Amino acid sequence: EAAVTQSPRNKVTVTGGNVTLSCRQTNSHNYMYWYRQDTGHGLRLIHYSYGAGNLQIGDVPDGYKATRTTQEDFFLLLELASPSQTSLYFCASSVGGEQYFGPGTRLTVL
Amino acid sequence: QEKVQQSPESLIVPEGAMVSLNCSFSDSASQSIWWYQQHPGKGPKALISIFSNGNKKEGRLTVYLNRASLHVSLHIKDSQPSDSAVYLCAVISNTGYQNFYFGKGTSLTVIP
Repeated sequence: EAAVTQSPRNKVTVTGGNVTLSCRQTNSHNYMYWYRQDTGHGLRLIHYSYGAGNLQIGDVPDGYKATRTTQEDFFLLLELASPSQTSLYFCASSVGGEQYFGPGTRLTVL
Repeated sequence: QEKVQQSPESLIVPEGAMVSLNCSFSDSASQSIWWYQQHPGKGPKALISIFSNGNKKEGRLTVYLNRASLHVSLHIKDSQPSDSAVYLCAVISNTGYQNFYFGKGTSLTVIP
């Protein structure tokens, strides 16, 4: 079964801080995605990629950068974190139209 | 941008009941529609998908798609307490990229 791991699982930072969320998938899926999930908004797409070195902008990209270094690894960067970025972040990979999600990272920006 | 709306927002049913969840979308040319289940504190997990008009059955799950009315529904037969979760409807857009649009979900509670 497809496996997607995320680290860290929980992160607390302060306003203006620098945060990197990591995601790794072990099934060589081409597509990888970063979402945030908030009550009242559901899952919202931040950035996605269809291969190493490729990056596509999602629906809520402001304040986020992403980088796909290899087929397996996709990173989400918050360079000047703000309290509005407090959320539950999910990474996913997909093949054949099915998405496989990681366990999530809960980020709190104080 | 694809719009995905789900109803109801929440549902409480007794064990053994038939559950019906609804999803409407905005683009009739969307590729396929998926239903995901999300338990508290976990990532969503794919349950069932449909591409063509009509219905598809897998175990206790049946999904119905009507592209003309831009509507898809998920039915869970003989619901169990373990079915208690949030159910997300996801539509894959037809933009050339595999871009998913999710609804806000329906929270299901099955009472033993």
